[in-house]
Amino acid sequence: AQSVTQLGSHVSVSEGALVLLRCNYSSSVPPYLFWYVQYPNQGLQLLLKYTTGATLVKGINGFEAEFKKSETSFHLTKPSAHMSDAAEYFCAVGGAGTALIFGKGTTLSVSS
Amino acid sequence: DAGVIQSPRHEVTEMGQEVTLRCKPISGHDYLFWYRQTMMRGLELLIYFNNNVPIDDSGMPEDRFSAKMPNASFSTLKIQPSEPRDSAVYFCASSISGGAETQYFGPGTRLLVL
Repeated sequence: AQSVTQLGSHVSVSEGALVLLRCNYSSSVPPYLFWYVQYPNQGLQLLLKYTTGATLVKGINGFEAEFKKSETSFHLTKPSAHMSDAAEYFCAVGGAGTALIFGKGTTLSVSS
Repeated sequence: DAGVIQSPRHEVTEMGQEVTLRCKPISGHDYLFWYRQTMMRGLELLIYFNNNVPIDDSGMPEDRFSAKMPNASFSTLKIQPSEPRDSAVYFCASSISGGAETQYFGPGTRLLVL
């Protein structure tokens, strides 16, 4: 069985500040981990994903995430927030031949 | 490629009416997923298909919901009869394969049942 927990349903940062969105997962098989972003009135789009290999994964728009097996975590970070980063972010876990399980989502607000 | 196409984008209907949502996946994708998104429950997987065959429909809330995929380029999600609690945004997504492959989402259908 697989599950995802996103800590914090709402995160607020100032423009230029560090963005940290937390995600912990549970999986009985080697996990595939994803971060998706959803802008208002749009579908989800992929930010980045981890399948195998390097545990630090870089994605679009300056985001990155690190797979930490010992901590069962896949936190999303960005060194400097931009106003355009305001959106809802979803962490998801999958395994070979399975569908993705999504977290509840974290809304990121960016203030000037 | 045009991406995943969903229609209609918005649907307003009255309780008891039949609602049909449509999805055209990206050409060449073998997997198709239907999700429902609400404020209370977040993003829920309803059903997914592999090569037009339903693989897991355990997320379908009840018998009022049904989904079909008659061919590789078309799928429908039907609600009959509809109820106010079915109001949500319904997303279709497709991927080349399951597991590690990226799912590409459509823009969603915003359903309001009065």
